[in-house]
Amino acid sequence: DVKVTQSSRYLVKRTGEKVFLECVQDMDHENMFWYRQDPGLGLRLIYFSYDVKMKEKGDIPEGYSVSREKKERFSLILESASTNQTSMYLCASSPRASLYEQYFGPGTRLTVT
Amino acid sequence: AQTVTQSQPEMSVQEAETVTLSCTYDTSESDYYLFWYKQPPSRQMILVIRQEAYKQQNATENRFSVNFQKAAKSFSLKISDSQLGDAAMYFCAYITGGGADGLTFGKGTHLIIQP
Repeated sequence: DVKVTQSSRYLVKRTGEKVFLECVQDMDHENMFWYRQDPGLGLRLIYFSYDVKMKEKGDIPEGYSVSREKKERFSLILESASTNQTSMYLCASSPRASLYEQYFGPGTRLTVT
Repeated sequence: AQTVTQSQPEMSVQEAETVTLSCTYDTSESDYYLFWYKQPPSRQMILVIRQEAYKQQNATENRFSVNFQKAAKSFSLKISDSQLGDAAMYFCAYITGGGADGLTFGKGTHLIIQP
């Protein structure tokens, strides 16, 4: 089975802190994604990557950056966390050859105080 | 902007009955795939069913089936013989192009199963 893991289920950070959310997949997938989930808004794409060291902005990239130094790992970085970044963050991966096999991690609920 | 609309924020159904969740979408692409995802309280997103836009036949997975109306850009999910384990948030989504652009999601429908 494909497994996508995220470094934390729950995270509490202070305003202004630099925050790293880590995602690792074990199926050699080329594509990786970061989504943000908020009640009443569904999931929105923050950033995605289709290869090592490659990244593309999604729908809401402001205030975020990403890093993909290795194929299996995709990190989401909040350079200076703000309270409006309190949310659920979901990572997903998919193989390049497939248009629909996106596999999701369990999510990280981030609270910024 | 490309969008997905789920007009029912919450639905309730008696156990063993049938419920239909609605979804409409708007894309100018001709090549796309449609999905229904389930997110139970555990938060793990689970793919329920998918539909290739070029296929006319509606997809079916056990108790889950879709009514895909391409011209109307409608993609509803029917759950037959509802079970308590079906209680979850359900998200409609689509993906276009080469698949590396990410999914576009609706806002979700909270499905409640009444015992």
